[in-house]
Amino acid sequence: DVQLVESGGGLVKPGQSLRLSCVASGFTLSSFAMNWVRQPPGKGLEWVASIRNGDTDRYANSVKGRFTMSRDNAKNSLYLQMNSLRVEDTAVYYCARGLSESQFDFDHWGQGTLVTVSS
Amino acid sequence: QSVLRQPPSASGTLGQRVTISCSGAISNIGRFGVNWYQQLPGTAPKFVMYSNTQRPSGVPDRFSGFKSGTSVSLAISGLQSEDEADYYCVAWDDSLNGWAFGGGTKLTVL
Repeated sequence: DVQLVESGGGLVKPGQSLRLSCVASGFTLSSFAMNWVRQPPGKGLEWVASIRNGDTDRYANSVKGRFTMSRDNAKNSLYLQMNSLRVEDTAVYYCARGLSESQFDFDHWGQGTLVTVSS
Repeated sequence: QSVLRQPPSASGTLGQRVTISCSGAISNIGRFGVNWYQQLPGTAPKFVMYSNTQRPSGVPDRFSGFKSGTSVSLAISGLQSEDEADYYCVAWDDSLNGWAFGGGTKLTVL
């Protein structure tokens, strides 16, 4: 069974950094496009970033230059390095698998990890 | 303001058919397929429709999708209590060079 488990969320102050992790099981992470999607408390879904082999990473304008997505194939894990965090970055962050190596379409999601940015 | 526009709420009675709309522009729905996600309270989204009209494996055939121009719809027939959830449409947007979500529609089963 495909499983994605996020971790690394927590409470931080504005301007600080946080690194989220997403461990995949049931499939080889390097063989799929991967994504991060977030959801502010009580609000809708917002795409954050996408990565796939042989292509430039894509980022939402709201996080470009502050967030960096990466993966460690040996650990079958995906990461989101978040710097210069803002109050408006407060959300549940989901990692989501793409449909294939080339397709970003989100087919499986993790349970999410909550990031709270507050002074 | 979301790039894709959805009604904030929809409702139907048990057994009824309900439709949720999602409208966009040439740069998104006009050029690319739309996916739909169902989110039950307190849970992660679930993939229920792919590329406008394709049902992912395991999704009941009560769910169907339609597209016309720069608008799409998700229809749920034979409404059941477990269909009560938030529904989101999403499509790639050329102008954003990224994914654009609708604001979500809260479906209530009366």
